[in-house]
Amino acid sequence: QSVLTQPPSVSGAPGQRVTISCTGSSSNIGAGYDVHWYQQLPGTAPKLLIYGNSNRPSGVPDRFSGSKSGTSASLAITGLQAEDEADYHCQSYDSSLSGSVFGGGTKLTVL
Amino acid sequence: QVQLVESGGGVVQPGRSLRLSCEVSGFTLSSYGMHWVRQAPGKGLESLAVIWYDGNDKYYADSVKGRFTISRDNSKNMLYLQMNSLRAEDTAVYYCARDHGRWDWFDPWGQGTLVTVSS
Repeated sequence: QSVLTQPPSVSGAPGQRVTISCTGSSSNIGAGYDVHWYQQLPGTAPKLLIYGNSNRPSGVPDRFSGSKSGTSASLAITGLQAEDEADYHCQSYDSSLSGSVFGGGTKLTVL
Repeated sequence: QVQLVESGGGVVQPGRSLRLSCEVSGFTLSSYGMHWVRQAPGKGLESLAVIWYDGNDKYYADSVKGRFTISRDNSKNMLYLQMNSLRAEDTAVYYCARDHGRWDWFDPWGQGTLVTVSS
């Protein structure tokens, strides 16, 4: 059972917009700690996608965006492309556990 | 460029030990905290341990506390994870990753090394 809760799967057709939620609690996201997102393509290591809730590293398309409100965060992907098919993971810090925590991951399928 | 390369994975019997290594290049290791993260087959990511800067400050997840030990040798650009009393549930791909600051985001990650605990 992951500390942060993500939907196991989402799907969308090419060109559509999808969102992935990441729900935490008062000891992590709700306490003001930042949320970060990673993209994991099949058979590869996770790669940083969004940091500090809404910032994109160099090279990440602006089709990817992040937001945070209260005890939750969201990753939005617009103009869905086949190459976006991957697992997406959220991460934050938890003060009760005194460590970094992840969501269970969400598998994005491009129909 | 910044690179992390894990090694040391393999098949090990329950109760035995294994040491993973992570060789870093392209940055000054002593300036960064370093994490070990694992991913069991078909599962999500689990943060296991972190070691900060000079190696005197370490934190462990409850699932590995007392069995795993994280260490580093900044002079050799190496990060380690000593895993003792291994269990079947420790079967996973193990990644090392660099912390951007202190309890910040992880970037970059190594390619991972597979540990299989089986008799």
